[in-house]
Amino acid sequence: GDSVTQMEGPVTLSEEAFLTINCTYTATGYPSLFWYVQYPGEGLQLLLKATKADDKGSNKGFEATYRKETTSFHLEKGSVQVSDSAVYFCALSDHSQGAQKLVFGQGTRLTINP
Amino acid sequence: DTEVTQTPKHLVMGMTNKKSLKCEQHMGHRAMYWYKQKAKKPPELMFVYSYEKLSINESVPSRFSPECPNSSLLNLHLHALQPEDSALYLCASSQAARFNEQFFGPGTRLTVL
Repeated sequence: GDSVTQMEGPVTLSEEAFLTINCTYTATGYPSLFWYVQYPGEGLQLLLKATKADDKGSNKGFEATYRKETTSFHLEKGSVQVSDSAVYFCALSDHSQGAQKLVFGQGTRLTINP
Repeated sequence: DTEVTQTPKHLVMGMTNKKSLKCEQHMGHRAMYWYKQKAKKPPELMFVYSYEKLSINESVPSRFSPECPNSSLLNLHLHALQPEDSALYLCASSQAARFNEQFFGPGTRLTVL
């Protein structure tokens, strides 16, 4: 079945550092890819998405490019802030059984120190 | 309104209690979902409703009973739960079409004593 693998962390960086969180996937067909963020004590928020190969999703300074040749969707940000501390989930959509299912990676806990 | 709301925010129940979790969205979405999330883990899909009909049940024990009274509401009825059912329960919704992202509520933190 479809699967998502992401670096588990935890990842600790200093403010203004460059961030990369790796995500690779295995899928039949052509899934959409997503990054969700979960702040402490909250639900998941969609951070960005890409629906086809070579699409770049971006939001709040975060970017990720859908790379079909390497089956990857790495999350990057040029200068992180303390407020970016959260858990980040990479996910793909799997349309089966008449509904959309999200397949999540294990999550990466990010801590940004001032 | 681009929000999914869930009530209650916190719930503590004994193993013999019956309780319900509620979820509501007013985005016109026709697919709604229940997830269970344990600490430091990704969400696990429990149920999917598409056009108010149950389309996916991920082999969830019968002590969890979902209900979709209309296109905006989703309930999860709880009965005879076990301590290991303690978790964050998340509701989500999406347009029924393919490739659309899911919007999540803030969750209900459930503790079973």
